[in-house]
Amino acid sequence: EIVLTQSPATLSLSPGERATLSCRASQSVTSGYLAWHQQKPGQAPRLLIYGASSRATGIPDRFSGSGSGTDFTLTISRLEPEDFAVYYCQQYGTSPPFTFGPGTKVEIK
Amino acid sequence: EVQLLESGGGLVQPGGSLRLSCAASGFTFSNYAMSWVRQAPGKGLEWVSTISASSGNTYFPGSVKGRFTISRDNSKNTLYLQMNSLTAEDTAVYFCACGLGTYAFDIWGQGTLVTVSS
Repeated sequence: EIVLTQSPATLSLSPGERATLSCRASQSVTSGYLAWHQQKPGQAPRLLIYGASSRATGIPDRFSGSGSGTDFTLTISRLEPEDFAVYYCQQYGTSPPFTFGPGTKVEIK
Repeated sequence: EVQLLESGGGLVQPGGSLRLSCAASGFTFSNYAMSWVRQAPGKGLEWVSTISASSGNTYFPGSVKGRFTISRDNSKNTLYLQMNSLTAEDTAVYFCACGLGTYAFDIWGQGTLVTVSS
């Protein structure tokens, strides 16, 4: 089973700043099947990025994903007030298991 | 509108059972694999189970294998999760989810809370 590690656990930034979130896998993620989800308090997660770098429908272009193999990055180019949330990476594919990382909280500095 | 709506959560005693349902609408339910994901209070997301479109294959992590059963009724556009031998560690919000445009989970329900306590 692939184990995902996210860093940092918490990121304290101001609106307008750039956020860089890291996700590292214990073994290579097949075919780049790596997703990023955003979750706000009391809400369901929302898919942001799939296939390591493809934005999901309706996701603003300030969100971008990159990486391959075992190292992946989510970048938010300029933080908007609504972007302060918890972000989870997830490895998926054509069959389970589908594991999540522990999350990175992006909070207002 | 594509929608997933969970129900069936509630308070159950340790050792008890509960069945969750997830009603799907707005897409051809029978064409897609479906999953359950849970989130304990203040914790992260944990994948719980997946069932293939035809119900031919089911998958579970070790934490619930042998205690939870996933099933679906494609005629009713409904996904189920039967949970037995529940413990306090199963207390969580349970989400159903699926991937329509991608294998990733691009559609999520709003979740249903399961509390295991005496």
